Amino acid sequence: GAVVSQHPSWVICKSGTSVKIECRSLDFQATTMFWYRQFPKQSLMLMATSNEGSKATYEQGVEKDKFLINHASLTLSTLTVTSAHPEDSSFYICSAREIQGGRNSPLHFGNGTRLTVT
Amino acid sequence: GIQVEQSPPDLILQEGANSTLRCNFSDSVNNLQWFHQNPWGQLINLFYIPSGTKQNGRLSATTVATERYSLLYISSSQTTDSGVYFCAVDGNYGQNFVFGPGTRLSVLP
Repeated sequence: GAVVSQHPSWVICKSGTSVKIECRSLDFQATTMFWYRQFPKQSLMLMATSNEGSKATYEQGVEKDKFLINHASLTLSTLTVTSAHPEDSSFYICSAREIQGGRNSPLHFGNGTRLTVT
Repeated sequence: GIQVEQSPPDLILQEGANSTLRCNFSDSVNNLQWFHQNPWGQLINLFYIPSGTKQNGRLSATTVATERYSLLYISSSQTTDSGVYFCAVDGNYGQNFVFGPGTRLSVLP
């Protein structure tokens, strides 16, 4: 089945530093990947849509200069949290959809990255 | 944008009991999926079910797209079924995959 690998699974960083999270589709190609954030005891909120070869589309209220997204290939998207602050501590999850299926196909999710900023 | 509601918000069951979780959505959808999020945060895809009925072991799901709701049935619940169940939908009019607020299920031994 379609597998999405996300790395790292957890990271602790100091305030002011930057953290990069990788999302890879292992056995399929994806022109579009999605990044979600989940705070404790809340649902998943879409942050941005990552498009291969073009700029990401950010949801309202998400700072594009703080959450840098790069979708350099059909199997890799990265999210960089720049100048992280404690309020950025959260669970970040990526997802991807197979090219062939289009919108009428399931999304496959990574296992998430738990970010703690001290 | 599309709105997704889930009920009940919390559910406590005794092991062996059956339950039904509901997901209502405000507009027509391309895609609907049910997920189980385990205590480690991992999202397990249960069903891809934009319409119709599917079954997988003790779990089954039904989506009535024309009436804008989906149901997830859990039979003979086990303690390992505990966690949060989310439904998520892709709206027909460009809204990307939106998650409902979830149902938090606790199955007691």
